[in-house]
Order: sequence, then C-alpha cells, then structure tokens
Amino acid sequence: AQRVTQPEKLLSVFKGAPVELKCNYSYSGSPELFWYVQYSRQRLQLLLRHISRESIKGFTADLNKGETSFHLKKPFAQEEDSAMYYCALSGRSGGGADGLTFGKGTHLIIQP
Amino acid sequence: DAGVTQSPTHLIKTRGQQVTLRCSPKSGHDTVSWYQQALGQGPQFIFQYYEEEERQRGNFPDRFSGHQFPNYSSELNVNALLLGDSALYLCASSLLGRLGINTEAFFGQGTRLTVV
Repeated sequence: AQRVTQPEKLLSVFKGAPVELKCNYSYSGSPELFWYVQYSRQRLQLLLRHISRESIKGFTADLNKGETSFHLKKPFAQEEDSAMYYCALSGRSGGGADGLTFGKGTHLIIQP
Repeated sequence: DAGVTQSPTHLIKTRGQQVTLRCSPKSGHDTVSWYQQALGQGPQFIFQYYEEEERQRGNFPDRFSGHQFPNYSSELNVNALLLGDSALYLCASSLLGRLGINTEAFFGQGTRLTVV
C-alpha cells in the first residue's frame, strides 16, 4: 500500500530563515512525487513535481529514493509563503493526475 | 476560463439521504477525479473518470458512485449518507488524451457536505 507521511502538522519560521517541510513515502515501485500548496481562501494547486526538477517560487525538492523522502526546501522564507502544503504520490510515471495519495499536510507560518 | 467549477458550495443532508455533487472541468480537460477531504486531513482519492468510464478507484465503498457526461462534466453520488461522510469534496480535472500521460490536476474550490 502506498502512504505519504508529513510529520509536522505546523511549522513556524521567521521571514528570511530557511524552510524545510518534510515528506516521507512508502511505495514499492517508482513513484512520482509532488508538492501541492493551498494559500488562504484559494484552491489547491500544484507547486512542483520531482520529474520536472524545477525551482518554483524559490522552492526545490529532491527525491531521495534511499531514504524514501521528498522534502521541500527554500533558503529564505517570505511572508507570502504562508500556506498549507501537501506532499502527494502517484504510483505511475507520467501519472501526474492519476489518483494521488496525499499526506495530511503541513501548515507553514512565516512570521515577520 | 473559469477553471474547475463545483456546485453547490455548501450542502446539509440528513443521515440516510442521498446526495449529488457536480463538477465542470477546466476547458480542454477530459478527465475528472474526485477526492474527499475530512477536517485536518489531506485529500483522499475516491475515483477518476475518463471517456465516461471509471478509470481508477480508491478505497471507498459502493455507496460512492459517479458519472461522466459527454461534455466531460461529472457527478459524484453518495447513497445512505453517514455522519462520517461529512467532508469537503474536491473535484480535479486533467488531460489524459491518447498518450495515456495524465497531466497536472487542477482542483476546484470544493463542496462542503455536512451530514446531520
């Protein structure tokens, strides 16, 4: 069975400090991993996916198959980064919108 | 483009009743997925429709059923409602196409269902 674990329900950091949101997964094959973000009063939207290897809004995430992790990082947090972040997994490469398994989410608060 | 639209936004039903939720996909998309998000939890995949057929299904009972219409819009039906069905129901649309590569999912704002 596939599972996504986000150990932190809430993460509070000061503006300008580094941010790391943790995500660990359990899956027997080669999954595709994503980070979704939900800003206040907005809909859930894709932030980044591991196969694109992009940096979006200063965020990066590296898939570590040995540690089965896909942590989200940003070197200098900004107040507009405050949001709910969800890590998600698809069991199929190219399955960006297949049935996704989501973690419970981490509420990131950036303090001024 | 209005993106993914869902109706209604809020709904209150009594235990044992049946409910139908509706979703219109983003223009150009052919695939609709439904998710249930309980309070404090991440979204849980219910099922996905493509070409009017159920393509994938999550771990939900048969009380949860769906339909996709020729214009790609979709309905989620839940029968014999339980208190535990109270949640935010999210619809997501995407483009699958003939290559079978399912592109990014775009989510709607959701329908908040309360079962009393």
